[in-house]
Amino acid sequence: NAGVTQTPKFQVLKTGQSMTLQCAQDMNHEYMSWYRQDPGMGLRLIHYSVGAGITDQGEVPNGYNVSRSTTEDFPLRLLSAAPSQTSVYFCASSYSSGGSFYNEQFFGPGTRLTVL
Amino acid sequence: AQSVSQHNHHVILSEAASLELGCNYSYGGTVNLFWYVQYPGQHLQLLLKYFSGDPLVKGIKGFEAEFIKSKFSFNLRKPSVQWSDTAEYFCAVNARNNAGNMLTFGGGTRLMVKP
Repeated sequence: NAGVTQTPKFQVLKTGQSMTLQCAQDMNHEYMSWYRQDPGMGLRLIHYSVGAGITDQGEVPNGYNVSRSTTEDFPLRLLSAAPSQTSVYFCASSYSSGGSFYNEQFFGPGTRLTVL
Repeated sequence: AQSVSQHNHHVILSEAASLELGCNYSYGGTVNLFWYVQYPGQHLQLLLKYFSGDPLVKGIKGFEAEFIKSKFSFNLRKPSVQWSDTAEYFCAVNARNNAGNMLTFGGGTRLMVKP
């Protein structure tokens, strides 16, 4: 299994540009999420999904959109990039147990995004 | 809303020294607790987790953590660190309530082990 994969690894954008960060998992996990990692702030949840067709906002959703059309894929869209969105982005997935998602999350390798 | 505090942002130790990293959380209900590690240039990996049962949990690479409910704490320990333990360590909490699909992370502790 490849686990959780993310593309691209690095990206530089200009202010106002849009782009999509890709995330895919091959573990048939129902739960997927996006975090951003900033120095001294740990990881903060942007959006998450508990299954295909279901998404919800996390702690810092503004400026980001997600969709979940399949179990495997969970892309993150930046609508109009701003310098404040310069960060490292991690995608994660988790399995459910008895309808609960309170389990270990498996993380992808991350995407380092710089917005100029 | 739940929050997680890691009091030490940077820790520097010599090899063979003992390690204890603090983690406190704010949620008063039932929680699942995790410690993740991020080695330089790599993604997060699970070190250990606590869901229920024995409050002293053992993880990979000789790490352990103790859940003390009365203190809302889940401190990470290792008796003797190695240079290869140099990494950033994150405590995370998942509250078992209607918002339990959200995992809240602490700010991280950067550990440097000198050979």
